[in-house]
Amino acid sequence: DIVMTQSPDSLAVSLGERATINCKSSQSVLYSSNNKNYLAWYQQKPGQPPKLLIYWASTRESGVPDRFSGSGSGTDFTLTISSLQAEDVAVYYCQQYYSTHSGAFGQGTKVEIK
Amino acid sequence: EVQLVESGGGLVQPGGSLRLSCAASGFTFSSYWMHWVRQAPGKGLVWVSRINSDGSSTSYADSVKGRFTISRDNAKNTLYLQMNSLRAEDTAVYYCARVGMVRGPIDYWGQGTLVTVSS
Repeated sequence: DIVMTQSPDSLAVSLGERATINCKSSQSVLYSSNNKNYLAWYQQKPGQPPKLLIYWASTRESGVPDRFSGSGSGTDFTLTISSLQAEDVAVYYCQQYYSTHSGAFGQGTKVEIK
Repeated sequence: EVQLVESGGGLVQPGGSLRLSCAASGFTFSSYWMHWVRQAPGKGLVWVSRINSDGSSTSYADSVKGRFTISRDNAKNTLYLQMNSLRAEDTAVYYCARVGMVRGPIDYWGQGTLVTVSS
């Protein structure tokens, strides 16, 4: 099974500063036939279900602010919030959907205001 | 508007059973793969199970394999999770979630239903 590992577990960033979250998969989630990375990022605020931010590793979901961006390929991925806003305080999860027999999530990264 | 509404959660004793339901609306339910994902109190998201659009293919996390069964009734636009031999570690909010495109990511989530396994 594919295992997803995020780092750090938490980070505190000043308003307007950059936040960077890393996600590593135990095996490649790049599908060679279409050159797509089967990797998504979700944001979860307290008391709410997760919300899709990024899919195919770098495609922003409709309505997601452009301060959120995703990058990476193969086994190493990054979610960047270019200028942290107060409403971005949340827990962020990566998930692989490469395997149709599982859907492993990373353990989550809590983003707070410094 | 896509809506997923879970129900059926509650308090159950260890070893007991529970069936969760997820009522879907606002989209053609029979065309979409679906997942169950759970979240223990204060913990992260854990994938539980998935089912393809016609119900012919299912997958489970090792932690629930042999105890949980995912199914769907496309005529009723409803997803199910039958949970047997429940353990304390199954205590969690259970979310149903939709896969937005073939082999794509989860794009919609329900609000979740809380299952508490305790004596």
